[in-house]
Amino acid sequence: SQQGEEDPQALSIQEGENATMNCSYKTSINNLQWYRQNSGRGLVHLILIRSNEREKHSGRLRVTLDTSKKSSSLLITASRAADTASYFCATINTGGFKTIFGAGTRLFVKA
Amino acid sequence: GAGVSQSPSNKVTEKGKDVELRCDPISGHTALYWYRQSLGQGLEFLIYFQGNSAPDKSGLPSDRFSAERTGGSVSTLTIQRTQQEDSAVYLCASSLGQPGQTGELFFGEGSRLTVL
Repeated sequence: SQQGEEDPQALSIQEGENATMNCSYKTSINNLQWYRQNSGRGLVHLILIRSNEREKHSGRLRVTLDTSKKSSSLLITASRAADTASYFCATINTGGFKTIFGAGTRLFVKA
Repeated sequence: GAGVSQSPSNKVTEKGKDVELRCDPISGHTALYWYRQSLGQGLEFLIYFQGNSAPDKSGLPSDRFSAERTGGSVSTLTIQRTQQEDSAVYLCASSLGQPGQTGELFFGEGSRLTVL
């Protein structure tokens, strides 16, 4: 089974609103990453949070990590139509090498 | 090139034929990954290379799938006797450093395989 699972599976919001996506995982991890995928394209790395970090910011992105609950959230503030994409969390388990991706959240931002 | 390059970008083949998908990683990246993504789905891990070695091939769906990497650079994913369920986008990614440490993957645009 997949290491990371995101929810919701799909999210539709108005431009200017905030979007929150959640990710849960199953084993101990070194770090957790979020990636973005535009339709028909490859994935692009957004942000990495290490297991000893609780929160990280990058521009309009805010990521939190709760290792006790084995969960993470990605918040996109003041969303734009250009943020429309699929967002995936990815983890590497401690001592491992596989980067495992969840099923993704499909975000649609309406102009 | 500056990024991960995959070829072909699109491949249509008939059931039972063999296909080869190529990945050219970013120069200097020692780690290389292959993933499969079915329509609207997440990424399924297939295989990982560190240099020319593949420590874990357990993600390969069947013995019809094989992969190799030569010179610590280009990798080829081969699917023999293709089946319709092999239709998907095959994504390649590369990264610096040792696994579990840095982590950021750089992806190619993928090879879309359609088996008729």
